[in-house]
Amino acid sequence: LAKTTQPISMDSYEGQEVNITCSHNNIATNDYITWYQQFPSQGPRFIIQGYKTKVTNEVASLFIPADRKSSTLSLPRVSLSDTAVYYCLLNSNSGYALNFGKGTSLLVTP
Amino acid sequence: ETGVTQSPTHLIKTRGQQVTLRCSSQSGHNTVSWYQQALGQGPQFIFQYYREEENGRGNFPPRFSGLQFPNYSSELNVNALELDDSALYLCASSGDRSYEQYFGPGTRLTVT
Repeated sequence: LAKTTQPISMDSYEGQEVNITCSHNNIATNDYITWYQQFPSQGPRFIIQGYKTKVTNEVASLFIPADRKSSTLSLPRVSLSDTAVYYCLLNSNSGYALNFGKGTSLLVTP
Repeated sequence: ETGVTQSPTHLIKTRGQQVTLRCSSQSGHNTVSWYQQALGQGPQFIFQYYREEENGRGNFPPRFSGLQFPNYSSELNVNALELDDSALYLCASSGDRSYEQYFGPGTRLTVT
């Protein structure tokens, strides 16, 4: 299974843009890049998914370079409520297992 | 549209006992997956059921078993509990061919 690497933790102030980068050097051709968010004592929540270039929704943007060996989740103007763990995953859209790593713990302070 | 629910919220068991955790999937979702999340770790895939048949399994021993029912509910059973089974157990449902899994709030199991 292709592995992902992301920073263990990040800090930000309210109102700033936060970019979390994930490395996946061995990504397979049929792998999609998916990001989930998890608050303490809650289940993960889907944020965004992409295959290449850029994807944007009401919550975040996902930037994927042409070689797809990395991706960057961009959270615009974070608030205190964005404090959470963010997971980068690779999945082949078969509805199969999601392979979570340790994620990036984001702390947003005033 | 109701979300994914799990019961109980918390549970304390003794080593060697058996436990059954329950999940109610989102209506219309035929796929349910179960995950174990130890403190400070990401969720680890246990198994997945699709239309009441096991559809895939992670690296968990046979004492972890499951059932899925036609009414979108499912169970995770764990026999011969060990201390290391203490974790948050999450279920997630998804529709046919859907990459987006909807997670429940989890059941916190403590084994003493």
